[in-house]
Amino acid sequence: GEDVEQSLFLSVREGDSSVINCTYTDSSSTYLYWYKQEPGAGLQLLTYIFSNMDMKQDQRLTVLLNKKDKHLSLRIADTQTGDSAIYFCAESYLSGGSYIPTFGRGTSLIVHP
Amino acid sequence: ETGVTQTPRHLVMGMTNKKSLKCEQHLGHNAMYWYKQSAKKPLELMFVYNFKEQTENNSVPSRFSPECPNSSHLFLHLHTLQPEDSALYLCASSQDRQGSGYGYTFGSGTRLTVV
Repeated sequence: GEDVEQSLFLSVREGDSSVINCTYTDSSSTYLYWYKQEPGAGLQLLTYIFSNMDMKQDQRLTVLLNKKDKHLSLRIADTQTGDSAIYFCAESYLSGGSYIPTFGRGTSLIVHP
Repeated sequence: ETGVTQTPRHLVMGMTNKKSLKCEQHLGHNAMYWYKQSAKKPLELMFVYNFKEQTENNSVPSRFSPECPNSSHLFLHLHTLQPEDSALYLCASSQDRQGSGYGYTFGSGTRLTVV
């Protein structure tokens, strides 16, 4: 399989911006994803970026992609306590003619009031 | 509700028991997946089904046996599990296995405890 690396924890103050970083290994990934997991729930797709894009903005979320360095980041502006969750970076790598999703370990975002 | 429903939400079973996890989606997706989520470890892809055909088996022990009777339903049959199999088992579905901007839709998972 391929590797997706993320830091395990991030702590921010409410109202600040959060930046969650991710590195991946497979340069053939067509799409890269960010998922959010709240306690007791499955993973929810937050946003995605196509590999030929450098940036995608969706309300408070900004995704930056550096294909050369295989680095993906998720910026959450004006972070709220409701944003506290685990955030997973994911890529799809090509195997046997099909794309297989691979996830990182997840970054636990803790938002302090 | 995400459109992918998993039952039961919680399961406690002994090592000699046989049980099954169920996953159901009515999103019209044609690919379904089983993942294992353990504490402090990456999500582990276990099985992939595309149009009811198993296309990936990620070196999963035979005590886990998947079944996909149709594109909407996926089962994971469990027998003679070990305590280290305790984890959150997540089902997901997608439009196709090529990966797309739609990503994967996950269920809420079954929290399995093996005693």
